[in-house]
Formats: sequence, structure tokens, C-alpha cells
Amino acid sequence: NAGVMQNPRHLVRRRGQEARLRCSPMKGHSHVYWYRQLPEEGLKFMVYLQKENIIDESGMPKERFSAEFPKEGPSILRIQQVVRGDSAAYFCASNAGQGITYEQYFGPGTRLTVT
Amino acid sequence: SQKIEQNSEALNIQEGKTATLTCNYTNYSPAYLQWYRQDPGRGPVFLLLIRENEKEKRKERLKVTFDTTLKQSLFHITASQPADSATYLCALASGYSTLTFGKGTMLLVSP
Repeated sequence: NAGVMQNPRHLVRRRGQEARLRCSPMKGHSHVYWYRQLPEEGLKFMVYLQKENIIDESGMPKERFSAEFPKEGPSILRIQQVVRGDSAAYFCASNAGQGITYEQYFGPGTRLTVT
Repeated sequence: SQKIEQNSEALNIQEGKTATLTCNYTNYSPAYLQWYRQDPGRGPVFLLLIRENEKEKRKERLKVTFDTTLKQSLFHITASQPADSATYLCALASGYSTLTFGKGTMLLVSP
């Protein structure tokens, strides 16, 4: 059973370009969470999605950032017009979401570098 | 504002000893608390979950306590091994299934 998959693992973008990060949850999981981790900082929650629905986007910056989890295919975190401050590791996690006590399974992360 | 505090300084211990990591929180009433392990360059890995009505949870060499009066969780690794060296994160439930993480404490176990 494959775990959570993220790609690309490393992404380099110039300022002003767009970054697209993909996350395929574990088989059987329909709930996806995105987190951002800056150097020396903790994981910061960004957004929680179920298939075709955004459940909680309270951690998502209001501008330039968007996320989706379509009926078919991976979840996408999209960052438009990237700036140097967007450089970070972005992790996605998934679970079955049956109740609030399920642990989250994390992917290996995408390391975004903005030059 | 809500705050989760973990020791920012690395904890250095000798192999075979018990490691104890602390997680304190303020302005928060979590339904449950989780501990994760994170190795450099990798995603966190779930270790243990403890609910607000539970005082203690064990799994092999790991033990977690949860004191909602003190607003504190302690994470213990007994008979520690060099392979236990990693950063350990505590996380509190927030809303649906969303988690709020502490910054983590690095544990270094020397042979």
C-alpha cells in the first residue's frame, strides 16, 4: 500500500512564476491537509480538503495561494507569482477522516526554492 | 492567542536512558493531542495519540501523559537508542481534524 506521494520533491521557481505542488493521498483516504514548514519553524496548517470540497482554509494566505482536490486525480496546491518568502517545505497529509481522532499520514514534502 | 511550546534546545542523552520531552500549551482546550517524529528532510510520522479524558498512553518504549489542568503533555522514550535521534513534534486538535503543531524538540541519543 503506497503511502502519501508528493511531487515534485524539489521545485525551483523564479520570482513571479507559478508553483504547482501535487499530492496523492494514501489509498482509501479522502481527506487531505496541506502544511508549510519554514526553516526553524513548526509545521503551519494551510488548508483541509475533501474530494471536491474545501473544508477549512483558515491557514491559507488570502492572495496567490489556492488548493483543490478534484474528484479524480491528486490534490494541487497552487502558488501564483511566487516570492522569496514562499521558499519552504510543503507537506501534505491524508487520513480517512472518520471522526477527529485519526492520525495523519504525511508525504515526503516538496521543497520549494524561489530565486 | 493559542500557543504550543516545546523545548527549543536539543535534548542530549546517553543510550539506555529515558528521554522526556515536554509540550505545554496555553489558551487552548484540545480534544486530543498527538506526537510525531520527524527526521531531517522527511515528513512527520505519527507515534501516539492521547485524548483529553486519558491520563497516560503507552506503546512499546513510548509513553505519553496528558494533564489538562497543567496544560501539559510529557513524552517519554525508555531505553533510548541512537536510532531514536530525531525531532519530536506535539500537535493539538483544532476544529475538525486540523492539527496545530509545536516547533518540535530535537533529541540526540549518543552511544
